[in-house]
Amino acid sequence: DAGVTQSPTHLIKTRGQHVTLRCSPISGHKSVSWYQQVLGQGPQFIFQYYEKEERGRGNFPDRFSARQFPNYSSELNVNALLLGDSALYLCASSWWDRKNTEAFFGQGTRLTVV
Amino acid sequence: SQQGEEDPQALSIQEGENATMNCSYKTSINNLQWYRQNSGRGLVHLILIRSNEREKHSGRLRVTLDTSKKSSSLLITASRAADTASYFCAVNYSGGYQKVTFGIGTKLQVIP
Repeated sequence: DAGVTQSPTHLIKTRGQHVTLRCSPISGHKSVSWYQQVLGQGPQFIFQYYEKEERGRGNFPDRFSARQFPNYSSELNVNALLLGDSALYLCASSWWDRKNTEAFFGQGTRLTVV
Repeated sequence: SQQGEEDPQALSIQEGENATMNCSYKTSINNLQWYRQNSGRGLVHLILIRSNEREKHSGRLRVTLDTSKKSSSLLITASRAADTASYFCAVNYSGGYQKVTFGIGTKLQVIP
């Protein structure tokens, strides 16, 4: 079975540009969460989506947005990129949003803003 | 912030020794999960322990949870060079959805 897949794996963007990151959850999983991991830190929660609805949002500016599609895949969009947005962006999927369900992570997208 | 806090931040041991990492948190939780991360890649789920559980095992891994002390520990027995990685605890606090809050991790180095 395929795990959580994210694309692209690496990305270089210029300040001020926009970026879209994509995530396909494990088959059967309906919940997708996004995390940002800056070098040397733990992942920070950005969004959670379940059944195409936003169920949680972390402390990130409005430049960050996301959506979930009918097939449960998801996109994370970041507008007006800043140097500080350079990070590993991780997507996690789980079967549903109940509190005791394990979340499985993809390999991440490494975003570098120059 | 309510993030879990791992201790120590770095740990270096010889192959074959046991490695113990600790995680503390601040308020009541639904569950606590441990993850491993190799060289800035994706996170690998190791164990989930629920708030009403005290100990769980998975192969060479043993996780304990003490809700009275708001702490958890991860023990890796008979460590191997391949265990070299960063280990994170992720806390799912009561009252929320599946948002998990990560600490900054423990960097484990196992020397062959």
